[in-house]
Amino acid sequence: DAGITQSPRHKVTETGTPVTLRCHQTENHRYMYWYRQDPGHGLRLIHYSYGVKDTDKGEVSDGYSVSRSKTEDFLLTLESATSSQTSVYFCAISLTSGAQETQYFGPGTRLLVL
Amino acid sequence: QKEVEQDPGPLSVPEGAIVSLNCTYSNSAFQYFMWYRQYSRKGPELLMYTYSSGNKEDGRFTAQVDKSSKYISLFIRDSQPSDSATYLCAMSSDSSYKLIFGSGTRLLVRP
Repeated sequence: DAGITQSPRHKVTETGTPVTLRCHQTENHRYMYWYRQDPGHGLRLIHYSYGVKDTDKGEVSDGYSVSRSKTEDFLLTLESATSSQTSVYFCAISLTSGAQETQYFGPGTRLLVL
Repeated sequence: QKEVEQDPGPLSVPEGAIVSLNCTYSNSAFQYFMWYRQYSRKGPELLMYTYSSGNKEDGRFTAQVDKSSKYISLFIRDSQPSDSATYLCAMSSDSSYKLIFGSGTRLLVRP
């Protein structure tokens, strides 16, 4: 998993409550990403970060915010969770190997919003 | 219309078969193409990476890109039950920073 951990791995919460998911990496990678994965949609980018305090929106950013105060941690917050945010959330980092640069993924967090 | 289209399957084949998985795309600016394999309840893992057109081979896996047709393929030779997984294509116009994924094809290799 390229030194990526996600916590929690599973979470059940109620509509309207705030939820924060954490992505932690151990190898000082500059770029970090949050995706959600839903049946029929594949992986969709929520937000990404290109450095400490540098973040930008992805394809499906509504209802989500992120923060990156340290290189190793990228937090995803659902300010007020809704049932439509029930999904599997994956964190990823960009890794360069020779001329090849691509993304490597963490193990995922399964979120159920009741 | 999605930027990247991928048949969801499931695709069921006997062990030892040659498997062909495909994606089509609409954005002619894409030039980086990847295939990821995802086992059930796991994160996607990078399988193949190709820049621009052509073929790339790695063991039993061959990735093929036809930019003129906006079509990419992944071939698996001598398929094994351990190849049973969901295969996701991904592509980008600017290296890895913004990948666009297909929805994935579920493959089942029967012993």
